[in-house]
Amino acid sequence: GENVEQHPSTLSVQEGDSAVIKCTYSDSASNYFPWYKQELGKRPQLIIDIRSNVGEKKDQRIAVTLNKTAKHFSLHITETQPEDSAVYFCAVWGNQAGTALIFGKGTTLSVSS
Amino acid sequence: KAGVTQTPRYLIKTRGQQVTLSCSPISGHRSVSWYQQTPGQGLQFLFEYFSETQRNKGNFPGRFSGRQFSNSRSEMNVSTLELGDSALYLCASSPRSRNTEAFFGQGTRLTVV
Repeated sequence: GENVEQHPSTLSVQEGDSAVIKCTYSDSASNYFPWYKQELGKRPQLIIDIRSNVGEKKDQRIAVTLNKTAKHFSLHITETQPEDSAVYFCAVWGNQAGTALIFGKGTTLSVSS
Repeated sequence: KAGVTQTPRYLIKTRGQQVTLSCSPISGHRSVSWYQQTPGQGLQFLFEYFSETQRNKGNFPGRFSGRQFSNSRSEMNVSTLELGDSALYLCASSPRSRNTEAFFGQGTRLTVV
């Protein structure tokens, strides 16, 4: 089955800096890659996603890049703000029948002002 | 449109007991997935149902089971509870069978004593 590795597990940045979180996956046929943000005590919520026919997608301060050859994708947050502090999860949905959305173990991002 | 609803929100059970958790997906969504969330382990996939059929199962013992009803509502059951089963159990519903956003419920916090 699909295996998703996420790094780093914790990330501390100063307000205004950029943050990058990287995930690698094992199934080369996977073609849907979402990122979720989970604030303390709340449910995970989708912040951005990318499909395999696109190399990069941007939404204001958030961007995701995908390298299908190397089987990795990354979340980029620019001009970080204290409200960006949360746990971020990458996920992968395989392309085979019977697959499901598999998550990385998460990155705790702390933005200090 | 109402979001994903999970009941109950909190549960305290004794070792050896069994428990049933409920998830009502967003109206029109036929896919329901269940995840176990514990500190440091992220979101571990339990199983996924689509149109009353279990399509995929994660690496959990047979004490964990689930089902889905014709109205897409889903239940998961854990028998012979162990202390290590204490976790936040999240369900997520999706509008399509794969490669699509998953919307999470608020979760059920299970404590086994």
